[in-house]
Amino acid sequence: LAKTTQPISMDSYEGQEVNITCSHNNIATNDYITWYQQFPSQGPRFIIQGYKTKVTNEVASLFIPADRKSSTLSLPRVSLSDTAVYYCLVGPAGHNQGGKLIFGQGTELSVKP
Amino acid sequence: GAGVSQSPSNKVTEKGKDVELRCDPISGHTALYWYRQSLGQGLEFLIYFQGNSAPDKSGLPSDRFSAERTGGSVSTLTIQRTQQEDSAVYLCASSVDSQSTDTQYFGPGTRLTVL
Repeated sequence: LAKTTQPISMDSYEGQEVNITCSHNNIATNDYITWYQQFPSQGPRFIIQGYKTKVTNEVASLFIPADRKSSTLSLPRVSLSDTAVYYCLVGPAGHNQGGKLIFGQGTELSVKP
Repeated sequence: GAGVSQSPSNKVTEKGKDVELRCDPISGHTALYWYRQSLGQGLEFLIYFQGNSAPDKSGLPSDRFSAERTGGSVSTLTIQRTQQEDSAVYLCASSVDSQSTDTQYFGPGTRLTVL
C-alpha cells in the first residue's frame, strides 16, 4: 500500500482558503485517494475521494496532478468548525481486495478567529 | 437513518480482565471494520468482515484480540487479559461493500482505559 506524507499541522484564519497537500509517490494504478476529517472524540468522516484531475463537492475540492504522486485538499473559506485532523489515504480499488483504510498521522488544522 | 453505534462509550477495566466492545453497523452494510486509535495517533486497522467471507485479521496485534460478527450484522471485539498498552479508542466502521471506493461510516468509538 502506498505510504502518504502530509504536514503534521497547519494554522489558518476564518474565511481563508486552506490547501493541504499529501505526497504518495508510490501510488499504484488502481489506487484511489480519499480524505477523511476527524473532530475530537469522534470517528473520522469521509470528505472526498478522487482518482485523477479534480473532484469537487459541497465540502471541498481535491486536486490530483497527472502523475498522481500527490494530491491537494482545498477547503474554501474555512470557519472555526473546520478545526480538525485531516487524513489523506491511498488504497486499492477492486472487489474482494478489502477496503481497509491505512491512516497516517494526519494534518491537524487549527482555524483561528 | 441511524448511523454506526458502539457500546459502551467508555470502559475502564483492570489489567488482566477481559472486555467486550460492541458495534452495530448501518443496516444493509455488508462490510464492517475495527480500528484502534491511541492517544495522539492515527487509526490502526485491526480486522474486517465482508459478508460471509473469512475475516481479514491481519491487523490484530496479538492473539488476545478476537472479533466475531453474528448474522452479518452486529460485531463484538473481545480483548482478553487486557494490558495497559491496550488503552485506546476503538472505532468501528461499516460500508455498503468492501471496495475502496465505498465510503466508510464510523461510529463514535469506545474509549478503553486499562488501569
